[in-house]
This record gives sequence, C-alpha cells and structure tokens, in this order.
Amino acid sequence: GAVVSQHPSRVICKSGTSVKIECRSLDFQATTMFWYRQFPKQSLMLMATSNEGSKATYEQGVEKDKFLINHASLTLSTLTVTSAHPEDSSFYICSANLQGALVTTDTQYFGPGTRLTVL
Amino acid sequence: AQSVTQPDIHITVSEGASLELRCNYSYGATPYLFWYVQSPGQGLQLLLKYFSGDTLVQGIKGFEAEFKRSQSSFNLRKPSVHWSDAAEYFCAVGANSGGYQKVTFGTGTKLQVIP
Repeated sequence: GAVVSQHPSRVICKSGTSVKIECRSLDFQATTMFWYRQFPKQSLMLMATSNEGSKATYEQGVEKDKFLINHASLTLSTLTVTSAHPEDSSFYICSANLQGALVTTDTQYFGPGTRLTVL
Repeated sequence: AQSVTQPDIHITVSEGASLELRCNYSYGATPYLFWYVQSPGQGLQLLLKYFSGDTLVQGIKGFEAEFKRSQSSFNLRKPSVHWSDAAEYFCAVGANSGGYQKVTFGTGTKLQVIP
C-alpha cells in the first residue's frame, strides 16, 4: 500500500514553455503532499508543501510564480514549471502523507520522480 | 533548524562484507530519523525509521540502524551486502515545522558493491 505515482517520468521541453508534473496517491488519500527538487549528484531539497484545497507553502528562495502548485483533490497534486529555462532542468520528486496521519510525525511516501530537461 | 551530515560520499565494499553508513544529525529536540535508498533514476524507498522507543531499528532488506543520542548519530548497518544493494543512501531528519513534518536530507552516500 501507500503508492505514489508521478507523470510523466521524463520530459524534454524547449526553453520558455511550461511543463506540468502530476503526483498521485494511488491507494490512499493525501491531505498533504510535498515537492522536492534534486540536482545531479546532490540531495533532495524541499520546494513546497501542498495542501488540498488551499495555497501551497513555499520554502525560502523558491519562486511561487515560477513553480505553480495545485492540490485540487485528495489524490492529486500538480507542479507546473512556467517559462522553463535550462537551469530548471532537474529531478522533481513528490511525496505524500496519509490522510489523517500526523503530518508532523508520520512517514512520507515518495513518488518515483520526474526528470525534466529544458533545452 | 535541523541538519544532516553524511561524511562518506562514496563507499565501496565487497559482496558479502559488512556495511556501515554514517549519519550525524543536528536538531534541538527528539528527532525523527529515516534512511532511504535511491536506485539510479528512481524515487526514494524507505528502509527504516526511528521515532521513539528501541534505539536499534530493523528495516527492510536486512538493514538496521542504531540511534545514539549521545553521539547524534543514526548509522545504517547490514551484516552482509548483496550486489543489489548498490545504490545511493540518504539519511534524513524530520522535524515539526509549522504543523508539518519538514524532512531534511543528507547529501547521500553512494554504495558500490564489487564481486
């Protein structure tokens, strides 16, 4: 149980275009989802916390107008990279907490990640 | 703010040998500690976690970790490594931040297993 999927797994786009990445909890409902970014050979950095039905909370230094997050349902959160540039190329990973779980303590379940390459 | 240090960037072990990956954390209160494994191009898989109780935690795939508060460490161990264990391992600490668990990851240790 507790499977999180991401789509697409890999995307290549031209500079200036927008890309949407979906994060779905397949067999559970997730009130809270998280978006991370991982540069090559580096660790994961939290970008934002996404809450169903409300605005996302962004970490310091993350441009909210560039990385649009929508958590429209208890099983889906989307990350849209607007006007993408080559420096946005990265591995984006989402995670989710079980609905009803203590988001302060319970384990996050991670998706398989999306590799974004901006040409 | 919490932080995690994984001092070994890359470790090579022979198949069948024992393994210990080091992790040190910094956090003012009782931490929630995790070890994740990431295969190339893949997401993260939880190996084990420590929230409270017994300081020796058993995980999947034969891994275990020991929480040592006095040393601020949470080292990962496996008595006999298999070739399939080759991957990147991340130690992480979770802390309550504004009502959410903010997870901070270490920089990772890449494990290479040789025959």
